[in-house]
Amino acid sequence: KAGVTQTPRYLIKTRGQQVTLSCSPISGHRSVSWYQQTPGQGLQFLFEYFSETQRNKGNFPGRFSGRQFSNSRSEMNVSTLELGDSALYLCASSPTLGGTGELFFGEGSRLTVL
Amino acid sequence: DQQVKQNSPSLSVQEGRISILNCDYTNSMFDYFLWYKKYPAEGPTFLISISSIKDKNEDGRFTVFLNKSAKHLSLHIVPSQPGDSAVYFCAASRSGGGADGLTFGKGTHLIIQP
Repeated sequence: KAGVTQTPRYLIKTRGQQVTLSCSPISGHRSVSWYQQTPGQGLQFLFEYFSETQRNKGNFPGRFSGRQFSNSRSEMNVSTLELGDSALYLCASSPTLGGTGELFFGEGSRLTVL
Repeated sequence: DQQVKQNSPSLSVQEGRISILNCDYTNSMFDYFLWYKKYPAEGPTFLISISSIKDKNEDGRFTVFLNKSAKHLSLHIVPSQPGDSAVYFCAASRSGGGADGLTFGKGTHLIIQP
């Protein structure tokens, strides 16, 4: 069974640009969550999608958005990039909604903002 | 306000000895707790979990203890092996899914010395 796949693995952007990251969950998993990992803050919850609907949202500004497609693949978008957005963005899938089940993480997309 | 705290950024243990990783939480609504392990350049992988109706859960060399009155949990690894060297994240959630997803601590870097 293929794991969670995230693309691209690495990318460099400049301030003010926007970026789109992609995540393909494990086959059969309908929940996709996104987390931001930074050295100072650890892993922080961005949002969760289930059946193409955003079900939960963390405490991030509106510049961070996402969506989920009918095949459960998900994208997240960050607009007007700031230096502080440099981080590892992790996608996780789960067969169920909510935070009580085991999450299966991808390897992450490392974003550097210059 | 950090709701899940791992106060030891790093821990060094000799191979064959017991490793004890600690985690404290402040939100009394949390009732499900998980430990994830992360190697460099990989996403976190699920290790073990515990529900608040239990005070201990064991899986091979890994045991998680939960002290609800103290809002404290710990992960014991016995015996410690070189492959256990990784960053360990404690995570908590509210059953039924909360608006917060999983709330993670900042991690403890465990180093197993030969």
